[in-house]
Amino acid sequence: QSALTQPASVSGSPGQSITISCTGTSSDVGGYKYVSWYQQHPGKAPKLVIYDVSNRPSGVSNRFSGSKSGNTASLTISGLQPEDEADYYCLSYTSNRIYVFGTGTKVAVL
Amino acid sequence: QVQLVESGGGVVQPGRSLRLSCAASGFTFSSYGMHWVRQAPGRGLEWVSVLSNNGGVKYYADSVKGRFTISRDNSKNTLYLQMDSLTVEDSAVYYCAKEVGDYSGFDYWGQGTPVTVSS
Repeated sequence: QSALTQPASVSGSPGQSITISCTGTSSDVGGYKYVSWYQQHPGKAPKLVIYDVSNRPSGVSNRFSGSKSGNTASLTISGLQPEDEADYYCLSYTSNRIYVFGTGTKVAVL
Repeated sequence: QVQLVESGGGVVQPGRSLRLSCAASGFTFSSYGMHWVRQAPGRGLEWVSVLSNNGGVKYYADSVKGRFTISRDNSKNTLYLQMDSLTVEDSAVYYCAKEVGDYSGFDYWGQGTPVTVSS
């Protein structure tokens, strides 16, 4: 099972919006509503920011939103803040009943 | 509050075995599927294995299938990962994680336990 494809890096200025893509196939991202997104700061455990494509866990800022179109899922961070600088990973359930992460995206706040 | 605490990591020689544990508290452990995820130094996250709430259904990544075994003891609120025939490619920080619900993602993670496979 190959890793889902994410851009290596995305950057934006404070207050701007950025979008991170996560591209898979019809056997994973395109086939299920089970895409989730994780934020990871250096040396820390990942933190769930979106699950089931577009649901936000309690306590997560509403600046984080998720969507999906075909085989590509997206995470949008609006009103970018310095604390959003981190690595972001998508995760999808697959037709093989296993899970696959994306390649990861480093977000820089300029 | 939900807590997941991994233990059992360390330095081990190639070909040897190691067993990781994940002690859970703050939620009804027996109601949730649990996962292991690893991250090699400087690399991305890699999903390793899942075990259903009652231990009856388990799946593995191809990279560990046949070498790793996931299990749980619901009476002790503990998840395990038995790792056999370790190779240098298994060196990583290993995290346990709790499911939000079936297939939906992982809402709580442990702090991770490092495993180094080296001669």
